[in-house]
Amino acid sequence: AQKVTQAQTEISVVEKEDVTLDCVYETRDTTYYLFWYKQPPSGELVFLIRRNSFDEQNEISGRYSWNFQKSTSSFNFTITASQVVDSAVYFCAQISNFGNEKLTFGTGTRLTIIP
Amino acid sequence: ETGVTQSPTHLIKTRGQQVTLRCSSQSGHNTVSWYQQALGQGPQFIFQYYREEENGRGNFPPRFSGLQFPNYSSELNVNALELDDSALYLCASSLTGGHYGYTFGSGTRLTVV
Repeated sequence: AQKVTQAQTEISVVEKEDVTLDCVYETRDTTYYLFWYKQPPSGELVFLIRRNSFDEQNEISGRYSWNFQKSTSSFNFTITASQVVDSAVYFCAQISNFGNEKLTFGTGTRLTIIP
Repeated sequence: ETGVTQSPTHLIKTRGQQVTLRCSSQSGHNTVSWYQQALGQGPQFIFQYYREEENGRGNFPPRFSGLQFPNYSSELNVNALELDDSALYLCASSLTGGHYGYTFGSGTRLTVV
């Protein structure tokens, strides 16, 4: 069975600080996909990134970066120079390559950026 | 390119009633999935529809049912509402499976009293 753990329930940082959101996943599949979604107060889940299990290269997109390490089953998300607009709930999720490709989500991390 | 649209945005129902939630998928997407998100929790998979057929179901009772129409829009029906059904219901569409990522709607906030 798949499982995603986001141990950090809430994080608060002062604007312009860097912050890392942790994600640990469990799966028996050799092929799987990992995602990060952002959920602002409006409710919709905004797609941030997708990673497949065969690509361990880290990725940077502007102030966002992701560190995928299969050895520790982690897929951590770092925001550099945080801004107030980054305040939201962030979810890590995974899909296995089999079946209906449902997303299994973690419980989310509520990030608050203090101006 | 329009995104995923859900209606209504908010709904209040009484325990025991029935409710229908609607979703219009993103243009070009043929797969629709429904998720339930209780307060403070991550979304939980309810079921998925692909080309009008149910294509997988999560751990939800049969009183949760759905439909997908030829234009790929979808409905979620919940019968005999219970207080624990109060949640944000999210619809997500994708193109033939979800491993390229899903596009989510803003959800329907259902309150059962």
